[in-house]
Amino acid sequence: QKEVEQDPGPLSVPEGAIVSLNCTYSNSAFQYFMWYRQYSRKGPELLMYTYSSGNKEDGRFTAQVDKSSKYISLFIRDSQPSDSATYLCAMRVGGTSYGKLTFGQGTILTVHP
Amino acid sequence: EAGVAQSPRYKIIEKRQSVAFWCNPISGHATLYWYQQILGQGPKLLIQFQNNGVVDDSQLPKDRFSAERLKGVDSTLKIQPAKLEDSAVYLCASSLALGAGNTGELFFGEGSRLTVL
Repeated sequence: QKEVEQDPGPLSVPEGAIVSLNCTYSNSAFQYFMWYRQYSRKGPELLMYTYSSGNKEDGRFTAQVDKSSKYISLFIRDSQPSDSATYLCAMRVGGTSYGKLTFGQGTILTVHP
Repeated sequence: EAGVAQSPRYKIIEKRQSVAFWCNPISGHATLYWYQQILGQGPKLLIQFQNNGVVDDSQLPKDRFSAERLKGVDSTLKIQPAKLEDSAVYLCASSLALGAGNTGELFFGEGSRLTVL
């Protein structure tokens, strides 16, 4: 079993749709949870950052963490063609001052006009 | 602020040849990472440096991969000899230490895309 599993597979939605991306994990030591966005032929860039359980909202993006279920989600409201990218969940254990990130395998999102 | 610089952006070699990738992190970032991203997969950590010391190289195939970070700044990742399965994007990232008001966010370069024929 992989340490981090990301779901769903490639996703194609119309402009304006609500998108839900999800990851499950097995390591209960993970305390820091992130979503990175990666455009084609570019490096990943941080989109959302959450510590421990709870929700965080930033504009059209909402990140949720449920540590009891070992499950995190990213919601994108009013999706735009510019949101078309690969979305990677990433996690880090606590207790250290520098952090190795463990990534999910990514979800390719296409938003068509 | 300048980002993480990587070169070359693209490299095509034949199996059993060698290749080297270079990374210049963001100024002041003590931690440097090399990740391997195979097509359709998430990045996988190969090696992590704190200043010029190795923190984690547990997933580095040491029989063919090597990395160094001289003087705690630039880093080089070498593959010798290359195999077909080494075809991937090699991402360099850097970060500040977690804490003191910062999240330890990783800043990635654009990657070096390796094709092994």
